[in-house]
Amino acid sequence: NAGVMQNPRHLVRRRGQEARLRCSPMKGHSHVYWYRQLPEEGLKFMVYLQKENIIDESGMPKERFSAEFPKEGPSILRIQQVVRGDSAAYFCASSPLRDSVMAYFGSGTRLTVV
Amino acid sequence: KNEVEQSPQNLTAQEGEFITINCSYSVGISALHWLQQHPGGGIVSLFMLSSGKKKHGRLIATINIQEKHSSLHITASHPRDSAVYICAVISNTDKLIFGTGTRLQVFP
Repeated sequence: NAGVMQNPRHLVRRRGQEARLRCSPMKGHSHVYWYRQLPEEGLKFMVYLQKENIIDESGMPKERFSAEFPKEGPSILRIQQVVRGDSAAYFCASSPLRDSVMAYFGSGTRLTVV
Repeated sequence: KNEVEQSPQNLTAQEGEFITINCSYSVGISALHWLQQHPGGGIVSLFMLSSGKKKHGRLIATINIQEKHSSLHITASHPRDSAVYICAVISNTDKLIFGTGTRLQVFP
């Protein structure tokens, strides 16, 4: 019974490249949340998705960042034209219901932009 | 000022000591969570509270809704408890707001 799976665990990109971060929620979970943890800072909400819908993207930077959660397959957080400031740990969480969002976190993807 | 404040930011303890980490918040909430983030980076949910007190093994979490304050206690601390402990609240507007964490190191 796999938990929330994120891959890759570590991702290195050069400035200007694209970064794709994947999150497979727990089986039966249709709610996915993405969070970013900048160095020496707390976790910050980015986006909340249900299958095929973006419910709340109020924490997403206006440019270069996008997220999707297709009917089939993992949720994808995509960062285009990465910059050094995008270096952070990106966490995904899933839940069957919104108010149990904290129960299941992935191990995170550490993005390093060089 | 952050909406969720934790103290202390850093904490060191000797094995066996009783540890308390505090969390204060300034928004209306429906629930509060305590999370543990290990050096490898993974995050584990420890407790979700909306009132009172919960206990799991050596961990105890309490919340006082009127005072907008929660505490996480670790009894008989052990080096494997070394981690970052994060307080997070679900606001009445359904936003998840995190504290910046308390870094705990327990030495043998």
